[in-house]
Amino acid sequence: DAGITQSPRHKVTETGTPVTLRCHQTENHRYMYWYRQDPGHGLRLIHYSYGVKDTDKGEVSDGYSVSRSKTEDFLLTLESATSSQTSVYFCAVQGTLRRPQHFGDGTRLSIL
Amino acid sequence: SQELEQSPQSLIVQEGKNLTINCTSSKTLYGLYWYKQKYGEGLIFLMMLQKGGEEKSHEKITAKLDEKKQQSSLHITASQPSHAGIYLCGADMDQGGSEKLVFGKGMKLTVNP
Repeated sequence: DAGITQSPRHKVTETGTPVTLRCHQTENHRYMYWYRQDPGHGLRLIHYSYGVKDTDKGEVSDGYSVSRSKTEDFLLTLESATSSQTSVYFCAVQGTLRRPQHFGDGTRLSIL
Repeated sequence: SQELEQSPQSLIVQEGKNLTINCTSSKTLYGLYWYKQKYGEGLIFLMMLQKGGEEKSHEKITAKLDEKKQQSSLHITASQPSHAGIYLCGADMDQGGSEKLVFGKGMKLTVNP
């Protein structure tokens, strides 16, 4: 158990509303990641963080923003949700480079 | 283009059969990570390979990284229904170590009792 909690686990919302997903870790890992998983596309990186207040974009960052004000929390925000952002979102953590990433249980987000 | 190809895309086997999944790249794999995912759940880390020719086993699952470090295989011996799920490979293609892994699209395994 890598001590990762994602919240909420499920969410249904409407187009145009803001949505924030939270990832909380208990083991002080330096690196944190947000991915989305979609049929036919596999796992794609949205944003990641390499320290408090240090973040960078992944391959599908448009429409998403992130924040990391504490080591243990990494927030993913959809400022104005669109139906194309309906997906399963996974948070992952990693202690150091060349070590495996460990994943949370995911958040299933539906945007109607 | 997909940097990391997994094959086959899906597989249905009878319980007790052996099977092999492949993960192939045109670039050198400096770290290769195998994960298993059950429907509706997160990814569970299985094994990590870093050296050419390296082989690791856990229970009935064996993972190998070829000498050229461009292909990895995952072999399951005497499959069981508990092996069913989606298997994903993730790779670090940076010799110095990358913060970002590249993932394959996954291989869906069904094991019929």
